Amino acid sequence: DTAVSQTPKYLVTQMGNDKSIKCEQNLGHDTMYWYKQDSKKFLKIMFSYNNKELIINETVPNRFSPKSPDKAHLNLHINSLELGDSAVYFCASSQDVGGPRGTQYFGPGTRLTVL
Amino acid sequence: GQNIDQPTEMTATEGAIVQINCTYQTSGFNGLFWYQQHAGEAPTFLSYNVLDGLEEKGRFSSFLSRSKGYSYLLLKELQMKDSASYLCAVRNTGGFKTIFGAGTRLFVKA
Repeated sequence: DTAVSQTPKYLVTQMGNDKSIKCEQNLGHDTMYWYKQDSKKFLKIMFSYNNKELIINETVPNRFSPKSPDKAHLNLHINSLELGDSAVYFCASSQDVGGPRGTQYFGPGTRLTVL
Repeated sequence: GQNIDQPTEMTATEGAIVQINCTYQTSGFNGLFWYQQHAGEAPTFLSYNVLDGLEEKGRFSSFLSRSKGYSYLLLKELQMKDSASYLCAVRNTGGFKTIFGAGTRLFVKA
């Protein structure tokens, strides 16, 4: 019954590796997001897709690449991982982008640790 | 620029009322949200305001004044489980981008 799910929950890897985080929502929502929450607990938007189209692409290194194979999935691939990439990454979804239908529902998060 | 300010920490007593303030300056306004985040967990939605005034939902209420760029979250009859971070978030015009504040850590003591 999980609404927004992410895998893996924990990811520990070496600098320079490439890794992916998967996100799926079963809410029938049209919009999905990726956020990064650093050690100071700021939640920062990275990307957003609406109906599989990229609508937000913040100032994120191009080592980060989102992929949305369909409306229910938004995956995040990270190349050449760096120490500063260590954070918790949250996926979220909303029915739409505006009004109360723009309320975002978050996945459980993926804690990424780069050694 | 875009900025959201909230107090870093607050402490209150079980059974009491606490008000968490949020001031914002953003490029346009298309709604303000409050989320609760327990340590190690995901943010969960509490309230949404787009018009001035008070929205009440059980023990939680949220107020908005757009002209002042100000909101507050009011928690009544505090319970120990209310100990968490409370995030104020503002969506900009166009509806695509939501800016989150750093959150207010609330400690509820017996």
